[in-house]
Amino acid sequence: DQQVKQNSPSLSVQEGRISILNCDYTNSMFDYFLWYKKYPAEGPTFLISISSIKDKNEDGRFTVFLNKSAKHLSLHIVPSQPGDSAVYFCAASALGSNYQLIWGAGTKLIIKP
Amino acid sequence: EAQVTQNPRYLITVTGKKLTVTCSQNMNHEYMSWYRQDPGLGLRQIYYSMNVEVTDKGDVPEGYKVSRKEKRNFPLILESPSPNQTSLYFCASSPRPGQGKYNSPLHFGNGTRLTVT
Repeated sequence: DQQVKQNSPSLSVQEGRISILNCDYTNSMFDYFLWYKKYPAEGPTFLISISSIKDKNEDGRFTVFLNKSAKHLSLHIVPSQPGDSAVYFCAASALGSNYQLIWGAGTKLIIKP
Repeated sequence: EAQVTQNPRYLITVTGKKLTVTCSQNMNHEYMSWYRQDPGLGLRQIYYSMNVEVTDKGDVPEGYKVSRKEKRNFPLILESPSPNQTSLYFCASSPRPGQGKYNSPLHFGNGTRLTVT
């Protein structure tokens, strides 16, 4: 049973519009959430994170929202740019987990010109 | 340049032939980890190491071994590879192992694509 789910395998968005990537989790012990971005033939790179004590974290064009009651987080990219085309992974860790991250399956974002 | 280096990038082997995938980081990170990525499953942790001579199992350790004799190196060993270990493997490191808001993001290598026939 996957504890972190990204239900959309792919998402296509027009350049300049908002991209919204979603992630759901089942483990209420998760207290820290991260988004990583992955280009082909490269390893994932850290994008943005959020602690469970917050409901929003912003970094430039990227904002992550956390809804603890719904066990849902989302990544907003505004405006979307061609270089944002990549696979986005959501990951979560729990208190006492020794930094073990549980990963979603990823969402492939395609930005159309 | 700060980086995590994995070798080889591609490897095709046969069932039962022992292999080692090397991982080295030049950032003096304490924490290192191995993941495998399979379609529809995301990344799953194989083994991790909190520091030299300290290793522990992740979620999918069966069929794998690791060692951490030096801080910079964390090789992944497949003593007797099988076709179900065909996957994309990533090594990662971080300066500060921990949890919650003290997490430091992982730095990943570029991956090793392993095919076992």
